Amino acid sequence: EPEVTQTPSHQVTQMGQEVILRCVPISNHLYFYWYRQILGQKVEFLVSFYNNEISEKSEIFDDQFSVERPDGSNFTLKIRSTKLEDSAMYFCASSNSLNQPQHFGDGTRLSIL
Amino acid sequence: KQEVTQIPAALSVPEGENLVLNCSFTDSAIYNLQWFRQDPGKGLTSLLLIQSSQREQTSGRLNASLDKSSGRSTLYIAASQPGDSATYLCAVSPYNFNKFYFGSGTKLNVKP
Repeated sequence: EPEVTQTPSHQVTQMGQEVILRCVPISNHLYFYWYRQILGQKVEFLVSFYNNEISEKSEIFDDQFSVERPDGSNFTLKIRSTKLEDSAMYFCASSNSLNQPQHFGDGTRLSIL
Repeated sequence: KQEVTQIPAALSVPEGENLVLNCSFTDSAIYNLQWFRQDPGKGLTSLLLIQSSQREQTSGRLNASLDKSSGRSTLYIAASQPGDSATYLCAVSPYNFNKFYFGSGTKLNVKP
């Protein structure tokens, strides 16, 4: 069965550095998402992406964050000037339509030191 | 802002029991509701999606119901097995917005 893949599985970065988290959604999916889950807290929506543009973003998704679909397969989340509180599990998801289930990757654990 | 609450936060049952997990949401103007399973250190696996016009969905031993007017959904698991042990999350998508709000989950432990 096709799956969403995320790399790396674990990223350790110094505070203030930039990180890029990578995702390969399922190939025929059209809607793409990023979520984060701080340890012990709820899964939080960050951003949704459709037709090569952001369709929704949360209050968390400020100027520090950006997303890109640089080619036909990858979907990236860039975090600039990382802060300690950016430490979390970041999940990518994709779906075929708004009324189809979202498929999640296994996540990237981001640790900011 | 939509608030999603799940009760109970944790549940421990002996194998073979039928059980019900609850999800409530504050704004009934939803597009759909999804139930997910999360295993430790893993991503989320979609179990069932209920569109706002539907009342329930079934998959194997799982049945999810939706009462939009009262802002509630339940996930019924029949004949529970140790392999069902995981955290179960519900998420709602508001009408006309491509975004999702998650509950904090119910951590289920099924004892052999």
